[in-house]
Amino acid sequence: SNELTQPPSVSVSPGQTASISCSGDKLGDKFACWYQQRPGQSPVLIIYQDNKRPSGIPERFSGSNSGNTATLTITGTQPMDEADYYCQTWDSNTPVVFGGGTKLTVL
Amino acid sequence: QITLKESGPTLVKPTQTLTLTCTFSGFSLSTGRVGVAWIRQPPGKALEWLALIYGNDDKRYSPSLMNRLTITKDTSKNQVVLTLTNMDPVDTATYYCAHRRLPAYYGIDVWGQGTTVTVSS
Repeated sequence: SNELTQPPSVSVSPGQTASISCSGDKLGDKFACWYQQRPGQSPVLIIYQDNKRPSGIPERFSGSNSGNTATLTITGTQPMDEADYYCQTWDSNTPVVFGGGTKLTVL
Repeated sequence: QITLKESGPTLVKPTQTLTLTCTFSGFSLSTGRVGVAWIRQPPGKALEWLALIYGNDDKRYSPSLMNRLTITKDTSKNQVVLTLTNMDPVDTATYYCAHRRLPAYYGIDVWGQGTTVTVSS
């Protein structure tokens, strides 16, 4: 199966650590990417190749991937991090597979 | 700097064919290691990948929509065109085109601003 499962919502207090999971069959054998989408905006790539950050993405964003779960971690969450987050991977038949998205609330 | 911009109708009628154009700059779609993807997002819902074309004309389609989708490229114009036949109200969404390079672990690194399409009679 190439489905990716994310929790619909995650809440975090400002300054705390937020973790968003992404589960899929043997996801750890592939690579995962993460995107941030603020309201009314296009998605932005924030993590690629499991744990690498594109230029300009703050260091507070990090990623990991092992077993069946990839995790996006935001350390020292800021109010501006409130957004929807999507994980993404691929397989031999489907070059792009997205998770269902997680709404991060910072309160 | 890589940029992409989607264009096309904002309103289509049920059963009609949707044609969207992605005009890009900052890269050449002439090698098998560079591609343009189309992704859509219904209001309030998740991202859904639709199609992908690489510079070597390798084309991939979403299994659930492949019977309705066609993706083509015009390298001389720096454009990629997506057609979706037999439109239905459930196809109402914001449609994005985006840049992708291989290996796939680089992700979809640049997105267009999106274009909103409403399907209604």
